[in-house]
Amino acid sequence: QSALTQPPSASGSPGQSVTISCTGTSSDIGGYNYVSWYQQHPGKAPKLMIYEVTKRPSGVPDRFSGSRSGNTASLTVSGLQAEDEADYYCSSYAGSNNLVFGGGTKLTVL
Amino acid sequence: QVQLVESGGGVVQPGRSLRLSCAASGFTFSSYGMHWVRQAPGKGLEWVASISYEGSNKYHADSVKGRFTISRDNSKNTLYLQMNSLKAEDTAVYYCAKERGGYVIEYYFASWGQGTLVTVSS
Repeated sequence: QSALTQPPSASGSPGQSVTISCTGTSSDIGGYNYVSWYQQHPGKAPKLMIYEVTKRPSGVPDRFSGSRSGNTASLTVSGLQAEDEADYYCSSYAGSNNLVFGGGTKLTVL
Repeated sequence: QVQLVESGGGVVQPGRSLRLSCAASGFTFSSYGMHWVRQAPGKGLEWVASISYEGSNKYHADSVKGRFTISRDNSKNTLYLQMNSLKAEDTAVYYCAKERGGYVIEYYFASWGQGTLVTVSS
């Protein structure tokens, strides 16, 4: 199974909103609700930000939201803050007990 | 609070074996599925393997199938990854991760360890 497709970079100014896309196929993102997003700061372990396409774990600010349209999932960060600068990865169940990640997007807060 | 501590990484020659461990605390280990995820230097995340809460169901990525084996010892609150026939492309930081919900495998990595570096080189 191929990796999901994410843009390598995204950016926005403090207070703005930015959306990161994650494109797959009907065999992964489009076929299952097991879509999640992770934030990773340099040198740190990833952190779960969104699961089941749209749900936020407790403790994750509501500035982070997830959505899906067809085979593309999206992560939107509203009211950008300096601490949101990080790498973001999407993932999706791909059937047959396999999981696939996106290549990652580096979010820069200008 | 949930704590996951990986160990066992290091430098190993191609073709050799290594076993990683992940010591868990702060939650009922025997009630949660567990996972291994790796990250090659400067690269993205790659799912490696998952195991059900009681250890009866194990799943491995195609890239490691037949070479790596995930296991767990619930009496010791420890997760393992036995890695055989190592290749240069297995060089990565290996993270253990806890499933978000109990008694299921949904591939939501809710808690992570700090990772252990495995370098495969002659």
